[in-house]
Amino acid sequence: DGGITQSPKYLFRKEGQNVTLSCEQNLNHDAMYWYRQDPGQGLRLIYYSQIVNDFQKGDIAEGYSVSREKKESFPLTVTSAQKNPTAFYLCASSIAPLPYSNQPQHFGDGTRLSIL
Amino acid sequence: DQQVKQNSPSLSVQEGRISILNCDYTNSMFDYFLWYKKYPAEGPTFLISISSIKDKNEDGRFTVFLNKSAKHLSLHIVPSQPGDSAVYFCAASVGRGSSNTGKLIFGQGTTLQVKP
Repeated sequence: DGGITQSPKYLFRKEGQNVTLSCEQNLNHDAMYWYRQDPGQGLRLIYYSQIVNDFQKGDIAEGYSVSREKKESFPLTVTSAQKNPTAFYLCASSIAPLPYSNQPQHFGDGTRLSIL
Repeated sequence: DQQVKQNSPSLSVQEGRISILNCDYTNSMFDYFLWYKKYPAEGPTFLISISSIKDKNEDGRFTVFLNKSAKHLSLHIVPSQPGDSAVYFCAASVGRGSSNTGKLIFGQGTTLQVKP
């Protein structure tokens, strides 16, 4: 089955540590996205990538980093500089957005990150 | 600045009746709108979308209405079923132009409870 896999489902981090969240898709999608969800809030965009070896900051990129070395993989690193990392992190992918063309994003099941 | 707003945090409806979820937006450049459904500890699932060239889109029990002059969209679910109980997010993007990034702006979500 095609889909988006995020691992692990739950992750714990000590203060001052970096942690990397995995996102893999086998949908052959060009575009991938990372969102953060906090209680009572909508999803906020952290980073996105429209093509391999290229990525752009979203609305809340501070304290995060990403890489896009392969089409199917878009890992997110939560660095020690992220002051409030406890949240639910969601990865999404879509067919490459084209001028005047819209495509829905499809989401993984998320990773819940907590600080010990 | 909340560009996409869902002003009702929750909605309770009797099974078989109509559920109406509302969403307002402020950015007149938005031209593509989506509704997602989300269960706890899972990623959002795409439900239905609408382009700004339309004012209605229907898919089975789900219909989305767009009122561009009022910058308002709504999702109608008829008839509502207990399995529809979830959090519903509306989202919007700017798809026109050569710089289409596919970025989505999400509302805060509305929790729908359908009572048997």
